[in-house]
Amino acid sequence: DFQMTQSPSSLSASVGDRVTITCRASQGISNYLAWYQQKPGKVPKVLISTASTLQSGVPSRFSGSGSGTDFTLTISSLQPEDVATYYCQKYNSAPLTFGGGTKVEIK
Amino acid sequence: QVQLVQSGAEVKKPGASVTVSCKASGYTFTSYGITWVRQAPGQGLEWMGWISAYNGDTHYAQKLQGRVTMTTDTSTNTAYMEVRSLSSDDTAVYYCARKYTGSHPDYWGQGTLVTVSS
Repeated sequence: DFQMTQSPSSLSASVGDRVTITCRASQGISNYLAWYQQKPGKVPKVLISTASTLQSGVPSRFSGSGSGTDFTLTISSLQPEDVATYYCQKYNSAPLTFGGGTKVEIK
Repeated sequence: QVQLVQSGAEVKKPGASVTVSCKASGYTFTSYGITWVRQAPGQGLEWMGWISAYNGDTHYAQKLQGRVTMTTDTSTNTAYMEVRSLSSDDTAVYYCARKYTGSHPDYWGQGTLVTVSS
């Protein structure tokens, strides 16, 4: 069964801190990886596609990198409005597996 | 503008079936697929499957095989997702999302809460 392993499952950081979330695929997926942000009670929002392409309107403090099996989402300077849960998802082929999520809080 | 509008909340008894609809507008329906995702209370996102609106091809999550059916009606630009033999584990918010071949799910519906309770 295909696995997307996301870490950490939660983190607490101060405003202005650099935050890094990782996602590891159990098999290579080239760059077919998206990152989503979900705030409580809201619909997931796409932040990044093709591992590193920032979606229109997403602040530039968000960035993505990686290819193959290892991927990273970075928030360069954490802001209060970034409190949310972040998910990675592979989309090269079925199953379009999600990572388990990373809950980001402000310290 | 692209919109996916889902049907309203449902309450079902264990063993029953539920069908959630997802009406698309603002794009050529048959040029994309629809993927379905669910989220149990306090849990993460779970991919359920995908259907091509072009030819009806489907891919279902292994866990749901035999219990879920996805269909589309191109005359009304609506996708449907049926889950049968419901249990409390199926209590979740169900989302539809538009997906182009080789691309990520981009536009999402507002979500439909399905509650399974006796």
